[in-house]
Amino acid sequence: DAKTTQPPSMDCAEGRAANLPCNHSTISGNEYVYWYRQIHSQGPQYIIHGLKNNETNEMASLIITEDRKSSTLILPHATLRDTAVYYCIVRGQRNSGGGADGLTFGKGTHLIIQP
Amino acid sequence: GAVVSQHPSRVICKSGTSVKIECRSLDFQATTMFWYRQFPKQSLMLMATSNEGSKATYEQGVEKDKFLINHASLTLSTLTVTSAHPEDSSFYICSARSAGYGYTFGSGTRLTVV
Repeated sequence: DAKTTQPPSMDCAEGRAANLPCNHSTISGNEYVYWYRQIHSQGPQYIIHGLKNNETNEMASLIITEDRKSSTLILPHATLRDTAVYYCIVRGQRNSGGGADGLTFGKGTHLIIQP
Repeated sequence: GAVVSQHPSRVICKSGTSVKIECRSLDFQATTMFWYRQFPKQSLMLMATSNEGSKATYEQGVEKDKFLINHASLTLSTLTVTSAHPEDSSFYICSARSAGYGYTFGSGTRLTVV
């Protein structure tokens, strides 16, 4: 799986959009970009994933550059409850039966939403 | 969506005793589950992959005789920390992979060995 690079921490004002960058310059053609977040003392929570097109769901938007070497997770209207560590993970699809591998977590970005 | 239940959420045990942590997939079958450990201010580290009906696969540096994993059914995996010591105090998290939902994580178990 390709390595990712994220800033260690970011601040964002409550109500504003939080834009979290991720570099994955060694990503290969069949690897997806996944975003998870971990609120203090909880298990990671899935946010969104994508291959090459931009994706949006009820939690966030994922913008992937055309060359796929970087991406940005956007939380459109950040709230205090969005304070968490956000992990960007690059991973190829695996077959669901047998041989599945666990996710590899980097250090992530600690996003702090300021009131 | 897929839900993974992990129990207990917190446990305190005496040094030298064993502790069992359960991980259940509530609304899906998981042939493979994963166990992670997280020390304070660090990221999650994969400890082992638990396969239903077969032996677990351990990551390098993880003692298989100390961290016993049993995956007896398609919805339950257990991690037993044997002869626990204070250095085993950590946050243990399980995860399961399901078709259509990707990786779902439990809420974690805070183990404190005194």
